[in-house]
Amino acid sequence: EPEVTQTPSHQVTQMGQEVILRCVPISNHLYFYWYRQILGQKVEFLVSFYNNEISEKSEIFDDQFSVERPDGSNFTLKIRSTKLEDSAMYFCASSGTGSERTQYFGPGTRLLVL
Amino acid sequence: GENVEQHPSTLSVQEGDSAVIKCTYSDSASNYFPWYKQELGKGPQLIIDIRSNVGEKKDQRIAVTLNKTAKHFSLHITETQPEDSAVYFCAASLSSGGYQKVTFGIGTKLQVIP
Repeated sequence: EPEVTQTPSHQVTQMGQEVILRCVPISNHLYFYWYRQILGQKVEFLVSFYNNEISEKSEIFDDQFSVERPDGSNFTLKIRSTKLEDSAMYFCASSGTGSERTQYFGPGTRLLVL
Repeated sequence: GENVEQHPSTLSVQEGDSAVIKCTYSDSASNYFPWYKQELGKGPQLIIDIRSNVGEKKDQRIAVTLNKTAKHFSLHITETQPEDSAVYFCAASLSSGGYQKVTFGIGTKLQVIP
């Protein structure tokens, strides 16, 4: 069964450093998403991406965040200058087109900012 | 924007008993309601979903009901087993331009006691 994969599974970084989280969506999916989950809280929408551009972003997704699809398979989330409050689990998701728009989530990257 | 309320936040049941999780949503335009199961250290996994043109859906021991008028939807798990122990998230989604922005509830931690 196809699945979304994410790397790394864990990332520890110093405050102010840049991090790039990577995702490989399901191969025939065209819509891509990033969510985050702060420990013990709900999963929050960050951004959706389609046709090489952002479809929608939340208020969390400020200028420190960016997304990119650098090639035909990867989808990345970059945080330019990490803050302590960026510590969270980051999930990538992808969905297909037409009536099948169920989002399938990856296992997540746990980011810890020190 | 959409707001999803979910309760209870924790639920303990004896193995074999039923578990019910209830959610409400605020945006009457939402038309897709997935339920996700999240096991420790993993991403949310879709277990069942329901669309706004359907009132009830069942898949083996899992069923979901939707009351569009009241903006309520519920997850029912029958004959619970220890492996059902996890955090369950309800979500509401609106199809917008082909993608779906999913808004999650706070989650219910289900513990099935053997």
